[in-house]
Order: sequence, then C-alpha cells, then structure tokens
Amino acid sequence: NAGVMQNPRHLVRRRGQEARLRCSPMKGHSHVYWYRQLPEEGLKFMVYLQKENIIDESGMPKERFSAEFPKEGPSILRIQQVVRGDSAAYFCASSPAGEEGLGYTFGSGTRLTVV
Amino acid sequence: QQQVKQSPQSLIVQKGGISIINCAYENTAFDYFPWYQQFPGKGPALLIAIRPDVSEKKEGRFTISFNKSAKQFSLHIMDSQPGDSATYFCAANQFYFGTGTSLTVIP
Repeated sequence: NAGVMQNPRHLVRRRGQEARLRCSPMKGHSHVYWYRQLPEEGLKFMVYLQKENIIDESGMPKERFSAEFPKEGPSILRIQQVVRGDSAAYFCASSPAGEEGLGYTFGSGTRLTVV
Repeated sequence: QQQVKQSPQSLIVQKGGISIINCAYENTAFDYFPWYQQFPGKGPALLIAIRPDVSEKKEGRFTISFNKSAKQFSLHIMDSQPGDSATYFCAANQFYFGTGTSLTVIP
C-alpha cells in the first residue's frame, strides 16, 4: 500500500521556466492538499482539491500558480515563469472523504530550486 | 497574519528528560489540533491530535494538553530519546501550521 507519492523529488528550473509538481494520493483518498515550506519556516497551506474540483485556494498566490486534480491521474501543481522566491519544498497530503484528520498523510515533498 | 504561534523555535533536552512545545491560536472556530513530526528530507507525519472537547490526550510518551479558554495547546514528550530529534509542528484544522520547533535530544 504505497503512501502519497510526489515526483520529482528534486526539480531545478531556470528563472522564467515552468515547474510541474505531481502528487498521487494514497489509494482510496479523494482529497488532496498542497503546502509550501520555506527554509526555517512552517508549512503554508496553498490549495485543497477533490477530484475535478478546487475546494479552497485561499493560500494560492494570485498569479503564476495553479492546481488541478483531474478525474484520472495525479494532482498537478503548476508554477509558471518561476522566480527565485519560488524555491521551496512543496508537500502534498491526501485524505479519504469524511471526517477531518483521519488518514491524513503527507508525501515526501518536491524540492524546487530556481536558478 | 500567523494563525498559529509556536514556541520555542529550538529546544535541546537531555535523554530521559521532558520536551515541551507550546502553541497558541487565534480563531475559536478551529476544532482540530494535530501535531506533526518531520525528519530531514521527509514529509511531516501525524504524531497525535486533539479536539477541543477534551483537555488532554496521551499516546505512549506523547501527550497533548489543551486549554480552550486560553486558546493554547502543548506537546509533551516524556522520557525523550535521541530518536525523537526532529522538527515538530503544531497545526489547527490542518490548514494552519506553526513555524516549527527543532528538537535535539542529547545522549
């Protein structure tokens, strides 16, 4: 029973390029959450998705960032025209539908470096 | 605005001692307070969680104390071990995280 799978583990992009981060939730989980972690800081909530629906994107920057969770396939966090300040670790978590907190599991993250 | 404030930023404890990490929150609508443990290069892992209808929850060496009126909660790690050395995050409703406490347990 694989956990939450994130890939790539490490991603290097030049300024202005696009970064695509993928998250495959645990089997049976229909909710996905994305977080950003800057060095020496806690996790900042970005977006909460269910299949084909964005439930809460209050933590997403207004520009250049988007997320999707299609009916088939992993959830994708897309960052367009990356800048140095986007360098961070990006974590996703998944949970089953239902009561909050049960089965909430994080992936190992994608470490994005913008050069 | 930081919805959850966590202290201390770092903590050094002798093996066998008690580690205490504190958090405070603002929004009284929060109703779920988890603690996460994170090792370098890994994602956070749920350690223990509490809801505001109880004042204390214990799982093994880990205890959460919750003070609803003060809007504060804390994690106590009894008999701290070197393997407990990690970063600990408190959170509220899974969307709001504290800034983390780096715990080092020295033998």
